Amino acid sequence: NAGVTQTPKFQVLKTGQSMTLQCAQDMNHEYMSWYRQDPGMGLRLIHYSVGAGITDQGEVPNGYNVSRSTTEDFPLRLLSAAPSQTSVYFCASSYSRSGNQPQHFGDGTRLSIL
Amino acid sequence: GDSVTQMEGPVTLSEEAFLTINCTYTATGYPSLFWYVQYPGEGLQLLLKATKADDKGSNKGFEATYRKETTSFHLEKGSVQVSDSAVYFCALSGNYGGSQGNLIFGKGTKLSVKP
Repeated sequence: NAGVTQTPKFQVLKTGQSMTLQCAQDMNHEYMSWYRQDPGMGLRLIHYSVGAGITDQGEVPNGYNVSRSTTEDFPLRLLSAAPSQTSVYFCASSYSRSGNQPQHFGDGTRLSIL
Repeated sequence: GDSVTQMEGPVTLSEEAFLTINCTYTATGYPSLFWYVQYPGEGLQLLLKATKADDKGSNKGFEATYRKETTSFHLEKGSVQVSDSAVYFCALSGNYGGSQGNLIFGKGTKLSVKP
C-alpha cells in the first residue's frame, strides 16, 4: 500500500514564486491535513479537509491555499513564496475526523525559499 | 486554547537504559492523546494512543498512561535500543467542536541511544 504520497520531496524556490505541493492517499480517508514542521516548533496545522469540497483553516493558514476536489488528493498551494515559508511540509490523512483516529503521514516535502 | 508541553531534549541514553519523556496537556473536555515517532528523513508514525482517562497505550515496548488528574501522558520504555533513536512527539486531538480531529503537537524530544 502506498499510503500517503507527497511530491516533490525537495524544492528550492525564489521569493515570489508560486508552487503546488502534491498529496495523495489511497486509503479512502475522509480527513486530510497539511502541517509545517519548523525547528523547535513541533508541527503546526495549516489547512484541513473533512471531505471532498470542504476545507478549513488551521493555526497558520496565511500564504497558503488548498482545495479538495477528490477524496484522494489534497494539494497545498503557495501563492507567493516568502523566506518565512521555508519549512518541511507534511500531509496527513485519517479515516474520519473523529478525534480518536490516528493520522497517517507522508514522508514530507522539504521546501527552501531563497 | 489547547496545548501540549513535553520535555525538551536532546536526551542521550546508553543502550538498555530506562526512558521517560514527560508530556502534559491543556485541553477542554476529554481529548485523545498520541505519541508519534519520527525517524531521520521520514514522516511521523503513530507509536501509541489512548482515548480516555486511565487508558494505557503500548507498542514496541513503549507505554504511556492517560492521567486525567495530572493531565499527563508520559512515555516510558524499560530498555532502549540504538534503533529507538528518533524524535518523539506528544500530541492531542479534540473529540468535539471545531478542533475535532486536528492534532496539536508538542515541540518534540530528540532521543539518541548510544551502544
